[in-house]
Amino acid sequence: NAGVTQTPKFRVLKTGQSMTLLCAQDMNHEYMYWYRQDPGMGLRLIHYSVGEGTTAKGEVPDGYNVSRLKKQNFLLGLESAAPSQTSVYFCASKRTEETQYFGPGTRLLVL
Amino acid sequence: GDSVTQMEGPVTLSEEAFLTINCTYTATGYPSLFWYVQYPGEGLQLLLKATKADDKGSNKGFEATYRKETTSFHLEKGSVQVSDSAVYFCALNAGNQFYFGTGTSLTVIP
Repeated sequence: NAGVTQTPKFRVLKTGQSMTLLCAQDMNHEYMYWYRQDPGMGLRLIHYSVGEGTTAKGEVPDGYNVSRLKKQNFLLGLESAAPSQTSVYFCASKRTEETQYFGPGTRLLVL
Repeated sequence: GDSVTQMEGPVTLSEEAFLTINCTYTATGYPSLFWYVQYPGEGLQLLLKATKADDKGSNKGFEATYRKETTSFHLEKGSVQVSDSAVYFCALNAGNQFYFGTGTSLTVIP
């Protein structure tokens, strides 16, 4: 039981490049979340999903897209990366009425 | 909208000192409240939670009581250890979303 895993762990992009972050969970959780963590800002919700095939916007969705084609995976895409998207990205998942479980994070640097 | 306001850090304490980290919230309805801990280079881990007013969450010597009248969920520990050095986040769950405070960094020195 690996819990929540994130790929990659670290990435450097140039402005304008695109990339996809992968989150995978093996706990059969319905809900999945993508957050970004910035100094002094805490965690801010980007997008979330309440089940396979569904997605919804969180607090800071601009510049990101997501997909939940399979229940166990939640993908976060950056179509055209900007320096303001330099951050640490965390994925989390949970069952209904239960606590979130977090992945180890992905550090993204956009130059 | 819903939000969490958390005591700013950093906080530095000597081993065995008493810890309090303040957290207040704004929410419509009746949210669940959480404290998460983040160790360097890791993701967040649940420390404790409370789901209704007057509930007390506790774990590893940490405690927090859900106070609806003061909209607070302050984290306390009677005697901190060096291993408690980490960043602590207060959070609330409203509907499908979670809202986090900005985090409080705690350093415990021997």
